[in-house]
Amino acid sequence: SQTIHQWPATLVQPVGSPLSLECTVEGTSNPNLYWYRQAAGRGLQLLFYSVGIGQISSEVPQNLSASRPQDRQFILSSKKLLLSDSGFYLCAWSVRGSRQETQYFGPGTRLLVL
Amino acid sequence: AQSVTQLDSHVSVSEGTPVLLRCNYSSSYSPSLFWYVQHPNKGLQLLLKYTSAATLVKGINGFEAEFKKSETSFHLTKPSAHMSDAAEYFCVVSEKAAGNKLTFGGGTRVLVKP
Repeated sequence: SQTIHQWPATLVQPVGSPLSLECTVEGTSNPNLYWYRQAAGRGLQLLFYSVGIGQISSEVPQNLSASRPQDRQFILSSKKLLLSDSGFYLCAWSVRGSRQETQYFGPGTRLLVL
Repeated sequence: AQSVTQLDSHVSVSEGTPVLLRCNYSSSYSPSLFWYVQHPNKGLQLLLKYTSAATLVKGINGFEAEFKKSETSFHLTKPSAHMSDAAEYFCVVSEKAAGNKLTFGGGTRVLVKP
């Protein structure tokens, strides 16, 4: 069966520090991968998605970037964190090419920028 | 363009009584519709999905939803609430014309009283 991992589970970082969040998927090949952010009391916002190694699409301009160095690894990064980057970050995967491409979510990383 | 409206931001029910979470959608084409549940500080778990097969969809944990095209609705119900159902629920729409990207409703927070 497929599983999706995210780490760290929680992170407290000072403003201006770098960020690296990691997401890995097991039990599937060639997945579509997604990064979402959920701000407190708000819905989910799609940040990035990837259909393959090295292929990243950005949905909103921001202080973050994403990379996919391996088929089942998706990394969210920042060179300098802002206060507004605080939130709950969720990674998701879906089977590429399936008719309705259900997305399955990881456990999330809670980021607090102080 | 697709959109989702969850009509209640908060719902409070007593344990053992029915739960109704309302969702209306807007979509240009035949959509896929999903309900996800999120417990505090956890990722999103798929409850059920509609993909143009049977209009009454049964999901996990006793939940079900009915797709009504004439009313553009996809309400989620459960006959008898359990304390473990206390969580936030998201109605989500996806359509192929939008690249299978998910559009989330604002969420409904469910409180279950003993």
